[in-house]
Amino acid sequence: EIVLTQSPATLSLSPGERATLSCRASQSVRSYLAWYQQKPGQAPRLLIYDASNRATGIPARFSGSGSGTDFTLTISSLEPEDFAVYYCQQRSNWPPWYTFGQGTKLEIK
Amino acid sequence: QVQLVQSGAEAKKPGASVKVSCKASGYSFTNYGLTWVRQAPGQGLEWMGWINAYNDNTNYAQKFQGRVTLTTDASTSTAYMELRSLRSDDTAVYYCARGRKVLPNWFDPWGQGTLVTVSS
Repeated sequence: EIVLTQSPATLSLSPGERATLSCRASQSVRSYLAWYQQKPGQAPRLLIYDASNRATGIPARFSGSGSGTDFTLTISSLEPEDFAVYYCQQRSNWPPWYTFGQGTKLEIK
Repeated sequence: QVQLVQSGAEAKKPGASVKVSCKASGYSFTNYGLTWVRQAPGQGLEWMGWINAYNDNTNYAQKFQGRVTLTTDASTSTAYMELRSLRSDDTAVYYCARGRKVLPNWFDPWGQGTLVTVSS
């Protein structure tokens, strides 16, 4: 099973700052990597798919990069509504199994 | 718009079964598949399985093999997740989410979640 490790576990920043979240896979997942945002009491929301493509309606301040085993989610300038938990998710090739990282909590400093 | 609406909260005793529904609207149901993901209180996301709503092909996480069954009813655009032999550590919010019907790489949108509480 492919393990996704997210870092840091918690990131404390102020509005307007740049956030950089990391997701590392235990083996290559090619570009089969998605990022989700989850706020308390809400379902996850897709932000980025296939490592670098923004989902419909996602603001341009969110960007994803990487391939293989190392991936990054960048929020260029934090808005108050961006403080949440972020998860990465991968699809293994065969069988098509899915795993999530343990999450990064982005909190207001 | 595309929407997934799940059934309400459930309270079950250990050893019982639960069946959660996920009603889709705003798109052609059989052109996609649905995945199920759960989240224990204060914990992360855990993938359970996937069903192709076109041909009902399924794929289950090894952890849940033999204990979970995913089904669909195309006539009502509804997917179901049944989990048997419930234990206290099955207490979680269960989500359905849409993906393309063959080898989806991501899931969007998600249902609102269904809380299943297992307690004696």
